Amino acid sequence: DPKIIQKPKYLVAVTGSEKILICEQYLGHNAMYWYRQSAKKPLEFMFSYSYQKLMDNQTASSRFQPQSSKKNHLDLQITALKPDDSATYFCASSQVGLENTLYFGAGTRLSVL
Amino acid sequence: GDSVTQTEGLVTLTKGLPVMLNCTYQTTYSPFLFWYVQHLNEAPKLLLKSSTDNKRTEHQGFYATLHKSSSSFHLQKSSVQLSDSALYFCALSEGTGNTGKLIFGLGTTLQVQP
Repeated sequence: DPKIIQKPKYLVAVTGSEKILICEQYLGHNAMYWYRQSAKKPLEFMFSYSYQKLMDNQTASSRFQPQSSKKNHLDLQITALKPDDSATYFCASSQVGLENTLYFGAGTRLSVL
Repeated sequence: GDSVTQTEGLVTLTKGLPVMLNCTYQTTYSPFLFWYVQHLNEAPKLLLKSSTDNKRTEHQGFYATLHKSSSSFHLQKSSVQLSDSALYFCALSEGTGNTGKLIFGLGTTLQVQP
């Protein structure tokens, strides 16, 4: 059973629209993250949250807003979508302070037309 | 700032041959390095993580040694299998290492042929 659940697996959106990417982790970790994987680019850190608080934000655009309703949830809201936002978005989690190994979900592949 | 450089592009090998995927890094902190493997349409999964300087770590037949003197953490396997075909990422934990914020290299695609 997957321990980090991301929904949906695939998402197609039109330019200018808004989408929410869902992530839940059942590993009991105290930190969650969003990473983005675009074509020809390395996996790129976006946000980190611990106990529902923002720890680090490396995303320049305010169009990307993480939302944490529970400590094991970290959704990603993207507004005013652009074709350049097309990428696979990975949610991840870790237990900071102990082993701190990063575990990834299966990803949401977003295509913006 | 911190950075990771990998053998880029595609590495094609015949089954049974050895492989080495290069990874070098730059950081002002004590380095924590990782290798992640991503099979087609799957999530990246941890393959190896570094230990102390000059100590080899192994998992699933793959091994790597952190060499601080050369800022390297190359991934090796003595005999590749068809199932090893995947995208391999080297990653550096930023700062003190007490965080899941990783800096990834561009990745190397390993293609193993029969």
